[in-house]
Amino acid sequence: DSGVTQTPKHLITATGQRVTLRCSPRSGDLSVYWYQQSLDQGLQFLIQYYNGEERAKGNILERFSAQQFPDLHSELNLSSLELGDSALYFCASSAGEEEEKLFFGSGTQLSVL
Amino acid sequence: AQTVTQSQPEMSVQEAETVTLSCTYDTSESNYYLFWYKQPPSRQMILVIRQEAYKQQNATENRFSVNFQKAAKSFSLKISDSQLGDTAMYFCALVDSWGKFQFGAGTQVVVTP
Repeated sequence: DSGVTQTPKHLITATGQRVTLRCSPRSGDLSVYWYQQSLDQGLQFLIQYYNGEERAKGNILERFSAQQFPDLHSELNLSSLELGDSALYFCASSAGEEEEKLFFGSGTQLSVL
Repeated sequence: AQTVTQSQPEMSVQEAETVTLSCTYDTSESNYYLFWYKQPPSRQMILVIRQEAYKQQNATENRFSVNFQKAAKSFSLKISDSQLGDTAMYFCALVDSWGKFQFGAGTQVVVTP
């Protein structure tokens, strides 16, 4: 158990809908990352937050948004969903220091039908 | 911008044999950390090994070891005495001083009886 909690584990929805993925980082970790992994694809970095502030942005679509709350949990909002958004979405956390390891949650499998 | 390249999409190895996965990277940072993560069929991301760039000594974790060549920007992973449970996708990753992780495309390792 990595200590990173993601909910829900599975999500099935329809095109055009909006969903929210939730992540609770390991206790004490200030940095939260979101990654997207499509079938047979690598990890696509979406966005990183550090102590409530956006720190880095990757290939995140404008239909997607995220935030990190004062209690350090994070939410990834996906709107106007398309079939191609179907993927495994990982949250990961680290203490925020460069030498720290990245710990991954078990992911949320999103299926857009 | 930093990049991580894994040039071997898939490798097959027999049980008890040794396999080496290649990873090259590019970064302008002088201080950074390198990682290998594995993703078994369960799709959970698991940290395998970590290497500090300022250390010349290669990291070792049980049957897993790295060959870190800083001047060549090479970071290979050796799996000794391969076991069926080692079957997984292996990702090489680099983290910079901002805590931004960059992952390679991955190498699928298949261990056969």
